[in-house]
Order: sequence, then C-alpha cells, then structure tokens
Amino acid sequence: TQLLEQSPQFLSIQEGENLTVYCNSSSVFSSLQWYRQEPGEGPVLLVTVVTGGEVKKLKRLTFQFGDARKDSSLHITAAQPGDTGLYLCAGVKAAGNKLTFGGGTRVLVKP
Amino acid sequence: EADIYQTPRYLVIGTGKKITLECSQTMGHDKMYWYQQDPGMELHLIHYSYGVNSTEKGDLSSESTVSRIRTEHFPLTLESARPSHTSQYLCASSRQGGFNYGYTFGSGTRLTVV
Repeated sequence: TQLLEQSPQFLSIQEGENLTVYCNSSSVFSSLQWYRQEPGEGPVLLVTVVTGGEVKKLKRLTFQFGDARKDSSLHITAAQPGDTGLYLCAGVKAAGNKLTFGGGTRVLVKP
Repeated sequence: EADIYQTPRYLVIGTGKKITLECSQTMGHDKMYWYQQDPGMELHLIHYSYGVNSTEKGDLSSESTVSRIRTEHFPLTLESARPSHTSQYLCASSRQGGFNYGYTFGSGTRLTVV
C-alpha cells in the first residue's frame, strides 16, 4: 500500500478540456509537492504547498492542499498538448526531509 | 541549463559488467538521492546522502552501492550488472534544512543490461 495514492492513474483528454488529479493519504504531511515528468527526463518541481487549505496558481494550473494536510489536488484549466506528462505528488512528513512519492498520473492531452 | 548532471544518458552493457553511474551538482546542496524508476512508473528511493561521508539505503532494496567523498559528487556503482537492473536511474539533490525545499532532478541514466 502506497503512502500517497494518486488518482486517476491515467487520463486522456482533448485539448481545451479541464482535468483534476488527486493525491490522497491517511497521513499528515508537513508539505506536499507536485512534479511533472516528461518522457526520458527527470521530474521538474511545479509547486510546494505547506499550509492546510492553501491554494496556489501557476498559470492554468491550480494546486490545493487539504485542510487536514493529508491530500492535495491539481487542476488544469483548458489543457494543452504541452501539459502532457507524468504528474507526481510527493510529501514530506514532519519527522524528516525525505520525500515520499505517489505512483503518478499519466496525462495525455490530444490536439 | 542543468544544475545537476548525470552521465551517461543511455548505457547498454552485458551481464556481469561493473558500471558506475555519475551524478554531479553545482548548487552546493548537502542532500543527494538516487531513485530507480521503470518507464512511466513511480519513483523508488534506493540511496541517499545528507552530506560528505554520509550514505544510507533507501526504501527499495538495491544491489548497488554509493559513495559521497565530495559534496558535489554522488556516484552509484553496480559491481555485477544483471538484466533485473535494467531501469532508469534518477539522481536528485536538495537543500539542507526545512521541509518545503523541492528536489532538483537530473535527466536520468537509462540502463539496459543484456
């Protein structure tokens, strides 16, 4: 059982549609991070959320940290083919600074 | 411009060979990590280091070994490669202290053992 569960595992949508990716856990995290990884490359950090209920926006991407700091969501508005990739959430628990990664959500945006 | 470099990008070798995957970073980060990832799948931590002469095994058991003699350098060695070692290996680094610093990843080494 993974500490961080991501859903869905795979999402295929048309350009212009909206999508939401979820990251859930039964554990409390000091912070949650979202990364995007393109094929053949390493993950790239998109955002870090640290406060329960926090909402951060990065252009068409909206990230939310749950009030209880156990879950997070990523919403993409008007998706574009350039948004295609593997989206990974990762959490840090208060006791240490090692990241725990979720299983990832593969997003395919078709033109 | 990448601040963390992995070489080689791709490597195809025969079973039983000894290999070293290189990872260097220019950011002065104390913490460095090695992850193993099958294509499109989750990342598994295999080794990490919190500073020079500090190395620890990660969550996924691995037959590889690491060393940290210099802050900027964190190589991973497989003494005798096997087909089961075929995977992508990702190196990452992060700043010391706090829990809201992200990781910077290299581009990875795609290893194929035949």
